[in-house]
Amino acid sequence: KAGVTQTPRYLIKTRGQQVTLSCSPISGHRSVSWYQQTPGQGLQFLFEYFSETQRNKGNFPGRFSGRQFSNSRSEMNVSTLELGDSALYLCASSSRGQLEKLFFGSGTQLSVL
Amino acid sequence: GEDVEQSLFLSVREGDSSVINCTYTDSSSTYLYWYKQEPGAGLQLLTYIFSNMDMKQDQRLTVLLNKKDKHLSLRIADTQTGDSAIYFCAESISGGSYIPTFGRGTSLIVHP
Repeated sequence: KAGVTQTPRYLIKTRGQQVTLSCSPISGHRSVSWYQQTPGQGLQFLFEYFSETQRNKGNFPGRFSGRQFSNSRSEMNVSTLELGDSALYLCASSSRGQLEKLFFGSGTQLSVL
Repeated sequence: GEDVEQSLFLSVREGDSSVINCTYTDSSSTYLYWYKQEPGAGLQLLTYIFSNMDMKQDQRLTVLLNKKDKHLSLRIADTQTGDSAIYFCAESISGGSYIPTFGRGTSLIVHP
């Protein structure tokens, strides 16, 4: 079974621009979660999508948004980029349940200049 | 404060045992997890324990849970250089979203 695929692997943007990150979950997984990882804040939950619906949301501003398609692939968008948005963005998929075994992609390293 | 706390660094000699500790605050935690992150990679689930268990062993890994003290530990026996990574403790809470809350991670450095 193919793992979780995130594209692109690296991204460099400038302040004020917007960016879209993509995540393809493991086949059969309907839940996709997004996390932001930084050295200072650690791993912070952004949001979770299940069957095309946002089920849970972390404490991030509205500039961070996402969506999920009918094939469970998910995209995350960040508008009006700020320097502090530089981070590793990780996507995780799961079959969703009480036992949350998350399968992570390798992440997209976003640098905002 | 954070829901899940871990020390930031641990250094051990190859062949020794490593013990990574974690404390959590929510007494209604259902599952507690250990994830491993190697450089340039995402997190990989190593093991997990249900909150009504005290211990779980899986090859070189032993997880101990002290529910009274809300303390979780991961012991790695015969630590190898390939075990060098960041280890994350996480909890998911019953009656909630089950989305795991992660600690900041402990960097394990194994030296020869």
